[in-house]
Order: sequence, then C-alpha cells, then structure tokens
Amino acid sequence: AQKITQTQPGMFVQEKEAVTLDCTYDTSDQSYGLFWYKQPSSGEMIFLIYQGSYDEQNATEGRYSLNFQKARKSANLVISASQLGDSAMYFCAMRELSTGNTPLVFGKGTRLSVIA
Amino acid sequence: SQTIHQWPATLVQPVGSPLSLECTVEGTSNPNLYWYRQAAGRGLQLLFYSVGIGQISSEVPQNLSASRPQDRQFILSSKKLLLSDSGFYLCAWSVFPNRITYEQYFGPGTRLTVT
Repeated sequence: AQKITQTQPGMFVQEKEAVTLDCTYDTSDQSYGLFWYKQPSSGEMIFLIYQGSYDEQNATEGRYSLNFQKARKSANLVISASQLGDSAMYFCAMRELSTGNTPLVFGKGTRLSVIA
Repeated sequence: SQTIHQWPATLVQPVGSPLSLECTVEGTSNPNLYWYRQAAGRGLQLLFYSVGIGQISSEVPQNLSASRPQDRQFILSSKKLLLSDSGFYLCAWSVFPNRITYEQYFGPGTRLTVT
C-alpha cells in the first residue's frame, strides 16, 4: 500500500532564504508520481510540482524544485528565496500510475511560516 | 478551461441532521472524481472516488455516502451527521491520462461544522 510520511509538522524560515520540506514515500509499484500541493489559510489546494518515478532529472517550477532520491524513496520540496506569501501548509502526495485511476495519497503536511 | 464548483462554501448543521454537498466540474468529460475530508490542522483523508457514473469506491467506512448521478456531478451525503463529521470537505477531479502529470485539481472546499 502507498504511504507518504512528512516528519516536520512545522518549519520556520527567514524571508529570502531557502527551505527544504521533507517527504518520504513507500510503494511497491514501479511507476508512480509524486506531487506537492500548497494550502494557504483560505483552504484551496494549489498544485506546485510533479515528479515521475522514471524522470531522470529533478523537477523544477520557478522557485520550487523537487529533490528526488529514488533509492532513498524521498521527494523533498525545496523553496528558494522564500517570500511571506509562501506561508502555508504543504502536502506531499503520490499516486501509483500502473492502473491510472488510483487516487492521490497525501501526507499529513508541514506548516511553513516565513519570517520577515 | 476546466473549473470545479463546490457548494455550499460553509455549512453549520446540528447533530443528527442530513447532509448533501455537491460538486460539479466544467470543461472536461469523464473525469475521475474524489471527495476528501480534512479535519482541523490535519492532512487530507480520501473518502470516496469515482471513475464513472454510478461507480463509487469507498475508502473509509462511516456514515457518509457518495453518488455520481451525472458524468460531472459528485454528491456527498449523510442521513445523520455526527460531531466527528466536522471538517473541510474538498472535491477534486483528474483525467487519466492527463497530459503528463496526472495531477488532481481541487475545488474551493466546504467548511462543515456539526454542532
């Protein structure tokens, strides 16, 4: 069964600095996708970045990058040059892709607070 | 472009009352649809998902049920609410295969308080 673990319930970072949010996963499937979502206080879930299990390069989207270490089953999110608007809950999620219709499985999230 | 609607945005209901939350998707056909619940300060718990009209998979046995009467409509219901049903309910959709990334798109959510 799929499982996502986020061990950091809360993180603080100084504005303009980089921060890494940890995520480890467990799956027996060889084909899977890893996702990061941001949830601000308004509650909406905003998709940030995706990494496929067969992607050879780490995914990047603007200030977001995903540090994918397949052997260690980790998919950490790196946010560079933090901004006050980055303060939010961040969720790591995965989906096994072999059947295609499986839902996302989410971790418990990490609350990021950016300090001015 | 695709959009997803949920209503109501907020709801306060007494214990034992019925519940009906509705989710509709526009701009796509035959989507996979999902209901999640998020308790205060917690992660997302998958409740139900559907890959087609009338096809519902339940992830967590409880007093909630889901129905999909139309291709792009997903309804979450309860006959009698419990205090533990309070939370933030999110509807989501995806299409397989969806471009490259298979991501799910979320609605704005319904905040339910059971009193």
